[in-house]
Amino acid sequence: DTEVTQTPKHLVMGMTNKKSLKCEQHMGHRAMYWYKQKAKKPPELMFVYSYEKLSINESVPSRFSPECPNSSLLNLHLHALQPEDSALYLCASSQGGHSEAFFGQGTRLTVV
Amino acid sequence: GIQVEQSPPDLILQEGANSTLRCNFSDSVNNLQWFHQNPWGQLINLFYIPSGTKQNGRLSATTVATERYSLLYISSSQTTDSGVYFCAVEFLSNQFYFGTGTSLTVIP
Repeated sequence: DTEVTQTPKHLVMGMTNKKSLKCEQHMGHRAMYWYKQKAKKPPELMFVYSYEKLSINESVPSRFSPECPNSSLLNLHLHALQPEDSALYLCASSQGGHSEAFFGQGTRLTVV
Repeated sequence: GIQVEQSPPDLILQEGANSTLRCNFSDSVNNLQWFHQNPWGQLINLFYIPSGTKQNGRLSATTVATERYSLLYISSSQTTDSGVYFCAVEFLSNQFYFGTGTSLTVIP
């Protein structure tokens, strides 16, 4: 099983709302990632967790707050987002140490 | 930072034609993957290929790490091959960076 599951698939939120994106994998992977993808652009790395610890933050604004409650789960908490934050948010996981990464189907976020 | 460039940016093929997509990267990498992104946004793993050549059905890929490029070959293209193809490189551990992408349209 090489499945990474993201919920919800679609999310519409207001600029004053607080919402969370969820990502789950049961492959025993030790590295988990959040990416942001705007239309007609490649995915851009946001955060990396390795062994449940935040190892990389690509200068992401604090209105995005990642959390890794355990080795299978990764959350992205959203607060006070702007319309330009509307994008496809992708989660991925890998074994770490230069191994293959697998992606979820993404959450399509619209900020109104 | 590392630069990952793909060519061509756009490609239109007649069904049944063959094509070669290229991925150039600016520095030594530890890992390289090819993905197909379908119209719904799902990134589908095609190849995990840090070096050498692999084949899977009508698709094959070659990475020449010493010369910093990778090629994806699609033979006998089908309309279901349409979508965006990305290469992604792992420069430092657990840091995957995507190429600029090739948008492929296969027409019947």
